[in-house]
Amino acid sequence: GESVGLHLPTLSVQEGDNSIINCAYSNSASDYFIWYKQESGKGPQFIIDIRSNMDKRQGQRVTVLLNKTVKHLSLQIAATQPGDSAVYFCAENLGDSWGKLQFGAGTQVVVTP
Amino acid sequence: GAGVSQSPSNKVTEKGKDVELRCDPISGHTALYWYRQSLGQGLEFLIYFQGNSAPDKSGLPSDRFSAERTGESVSTLTIQRTQQEDSAVYLCASSRGGGIYEQYFGPGTRLTVT
Repeated sequence: GESVGLHLPTLSVQEGDNSIINCAYSNSASDYFIWYKQESGKGPQFIIDIRSNMDKRQGQRVTVLLNKTVKHLSLQIAATQPGDSAVYFCAENLGDSWGKLQFGAGTQVVVTP
Repeated sequence: GAGVSQSPSNKVTEKGKDVELRCDPISGHTALYWYRQSLGQGLEFLIYFQGNSAPDKSGLPSDRFSAERTGESVSTLTIQRTQQEDSAVYLCASSRGGGIYEQYFGPGTRLTVT
């Protein structure tokens, strides 16, 4: 797979390859970050989260990496499947609230056979 | 169990009319959030309810927007004198608490102002 930032809205990846989606967050005071997946016509679905006291967290087929020095967050999807085709958003908590979230613009992931 | 539900799923209204959008959170979830998603964009935070605390309205774009929540259940987002720029998908989410808890989203209400 190829690594793209959220400034490029679409990531095409071949089925079975690994995907990397990048996100540059804006607030150095943010301490909670989440990745969401949104399929067409549905609300966002939680994938994985990470707190600022960690730099890596793994889930099932997904890994989130956090680099606070450069305010960068990435989501890695292993062995990408057709069902992974969706828009992926990163989000950070706003201000002094854990629950209020600021979302990035999103990356469209298209899995090709 | 039942997830977050929203109604209506689609709403078309004329400019200048008022609209009400409804959200039914997951039972037992004390926190409820409203977001707005414009076409091809990320989500914009609007308002946040947590238990009996005063809601955080810091994301409401204008005084035409308001929201109410009945206890820890249903919430209604009201947009008065709708404008074309209000056209968007309005998403509601709920979570077990106001802290670091997974937010479960509803399917959204697509609002079109003509």
